[in-house]
Amino acid sequence: KNEVEQSPQNLTAQEGEFITINCSYSVGISALHWLQQHPGGGIVSLFMLSSGKKKHGRLIATINIQEKHSSLHITASHPRDSAVYICAVRTDTGNQFYFGTGTSLTVIP
Amino acid sequence: KAGVTQTPRYLIKTRGQQVTLSCSPISGHRSVSWYQQTPGQGLQFLFEYFSETQRNKGNFPGRFSGRQFSNSRSEMNVSTLELGDSALYLCASSLSGYRTDTQYFGPGTRLTVL
Repeated sequence: KNEVEQSPQNLTAQEGEFITINCSYSVGISALHWLQQHPGGGIVSLFMLSSGKKKHGRLIATINIQEKHSSLHITASHPRDSAVYICAVRTDTGNQFYFGTGTSLTVIP
Repeated sequence: KAGVTQTPRYLIKTRGQQVTLSCSPISGHRSVSWYQQTPGQGLQFLFEYFSETQRNKGNFPGRFSGRQFSNSRSEMNVSTLELGDSALYLCASSLSGYRTDTQYFGPGTRLTVL
C-alpha cells in the first residue's frame, strides 16, 4: 500500500503546453512538498503546502486537504522543465515522510 | 551561503563492509534528514536529527544509524553492507525541522555495493 500516489508516471509535452501532475495521499498530513529532481540526482524543493495554493513563476501548486489531493501545474512549459517531479508528505502523527514514485516529465522543443 | 554538502560523492564498497557518509548543512540550519533513493523503492526517509538528537526514524533495519554533532554536521553509518544498500543517499537540512520548514537537499552520495 502506497501512502502517496502520483499520476501520470511519465509525461511528454510540447514546449508551451500546460502541464498538470497529480498527487493523492491516504494519511493525515501536516505538510505536502513538491520536489524537482534533475538527471544527476540533485533535488530542489519547489513548494511546501499545508493549505490553498502557491505560485512561483510558471509553477502553481494547489492542495485540497478534504480530498487529500494536490496538483502541480506548469504553465508555458519549457525544455528546461524536463525533470522528475516528486510529491512528498509529512504526516501529522509520527512525523514520518512518505514519497510518491515521481512523474518523469520531458518537454520537447 | 554555501549549500548542503555531502561527502564522499561516490563510494564503492563490498558486501559485509561498513560505510560512513557525511553531511554538512547550510550554516544556521539545525535539522538534518537523511533519505535513501533506489530505482525500485524510490525515495525513503531514513532519519531526522535536530540539535544532536534523533527526532524521527523511518522503517529501516538497525544496520542504518546516524548521529549529529554540535555544529549540526551529521553522519550516517551503514554496517554489514548488503547489495540492496546500493543507492543514492541524500541529506537535507532545514532551519529547525519544523513541520512546514523548507528542506534544502545536498547532491547526494552514490553508494555501490559489490
